[in-house]
Amino acid sequence: QVLLVESGGGVVQFGRSLRLSCAASGFTFSNSGMHWVRQAPGKGLEWVAVIWYDGSKKYYVDSVKGRFTISRDNSKNTLNLQMNSLRAEDTAIYYCAREDRTGDFDLWGRGTLVTVSS
Amino acid sequence: DIQMTQSPSSLSASVGDRVTITCRASQSISSYLNWYQQKPGKAPKLLIYASSSLQSGVPSRFSGSGFGTDFTLTISSLQPDDFATYSCQQSYSIPYSFGQGTKVEIK
Repeated sequence: QVLLVESGGGVVQFGRSLRLSCAASGFTFSNSGMHWVRQAPGKGLEWVAVIWYDGSKKYYVDSVKGRFTISRDNSKNTLNLQMNSLRAEDTAIYYCAREDRTGDFDLWGRGTLVTVSS
Repeated sequence: DIQMTQSPSSLSASVGDRVTITCRASQSISSYLNWYQQKPGKAPKLLIYASSSLQSGVPSRFSGSGFGTDFTLTISSLQPDDFATYSCQQSYSIPYSFGQGTKVEIK
């Protein structure tokens, strides 16, 4: 079964860190660019970060640059997002998504909720 | 960075209605425009990629069109399962970006 399953969300204090993971199964993970997309409560989707299929390139939305780090382990079919210096505005459901063809996201996980409290 | 603007933000429609949602990019994105459907508490689902290509398994009542800066998603005959939020996404350049979403509600 083709699947992405996120984990690692929870409640964290302002300024602290959290590491999200996304476990992939049912497809050749090492062939796919992978993304993190987030959705604040009641808001629209926001693209967060991408990592190339081989990990050679990484890009971020401006609001998380210098605080978040995307990584992957192709031997373990796992995508990660290390989030440091968390802010209230980082509160959201975080989805991992597979990039297909022309930059569309054809496979999504169910998401993991991150709540940053003061 | 490319900004994506959808209209309307919400609409009310009846089963059987033809529904059109518009997405405008702040600069030309060729055909790098994708559409997603999202229901409450669920992950987004890809409907249309590359402006007009129907994702496998998506009903043919969904269609997309457009090139450059202006794009549309059309539902030819709205079904009960189609009440959801629809979002466009540009994949022309990083940072990828989404429209703010259009909520389709029951009239």
